[in-house]
Amino acid sequence: DQQVKQNSPSLSVQEGRISILNCDYTNSMFDYFLWYKKYPAEGPTFLISISSIKDKNEDGRFTVFLNKSAKHLSLHIVPSQPGDSAVYFCAASVNNNDMRFGAGTRLTVKP
Amino acid sequence: NAGVTQTPKFQVLKTGQSMTLQCAQDMNHNSMYWYRQDPGMGLRLIYYSASEGTTDKGEVPNGYNVSRLNKREFSLRLESAAPSQTSVYFCASSVNRYLNQPQHFGDGTRLSIL
Repeated sequence: DQQVKQNSPSLSVQEGRISILNCDYTNSMFDYFLWYKKYPAEGPTFLISISSIKDKNEDGRFTVFLNKSAKHLSLHIVPSQPGDSAVYFCAASVNNNDMRFGAGTRLTVKP
Repeated sequence: NAGVTQTPKFQVLKTGQSMTLQCAQDMNHNSMYWYRQDPGMGLRLIYYSASEGTTDKGEVPNGYNVSRLNKREFSLRLESAAPSQTSVYFCASSVNRYLNQPQHFGDGTRLSIL
């Protein structure tokens, strides 16, 4: 059972515009959420996280929004840059354990 | 500044062969992890080690064994490889033994089993 779902396998955005990557989850016990970024032939790198006690966390061009009632989180990248082209994974855990990953969304930022 | 190093990067095995995937980190991290990534699926945790001398099963441990040789090294062994174990394997580490959140990943081992 996939408890964390990224329903868009791919997303294409023009440079300078906003990229919005979405993630849905089914387990209401998840209390910590993360986003990872992965370039081809490399391992994922941690990008940003959010605790369930917050609804927004911002780090430079990256902002994660959490809507607990909808069991939905999103990653906003503003402005998008060609170097942001990568696969983005969302992940969620319960009490810092049993982390589950989504299948990923491939973002392409066109110059 | 190596971070997490995995060897080999690629490997082809025949069904029934055995193989050990090596992983080493130079960041003095306490926790280490092994994940597999399959097409259309997220990373799934095979085993993890919260600290030297301890190992625990993750979501998909069947068919695998692990050894936390010391603080730096965490190996994954396939005793009798099966085609269903064809995957990309990632090793990861994190400093906090109480926070099951991988921070640094290796570049992966692409394993094909024929």
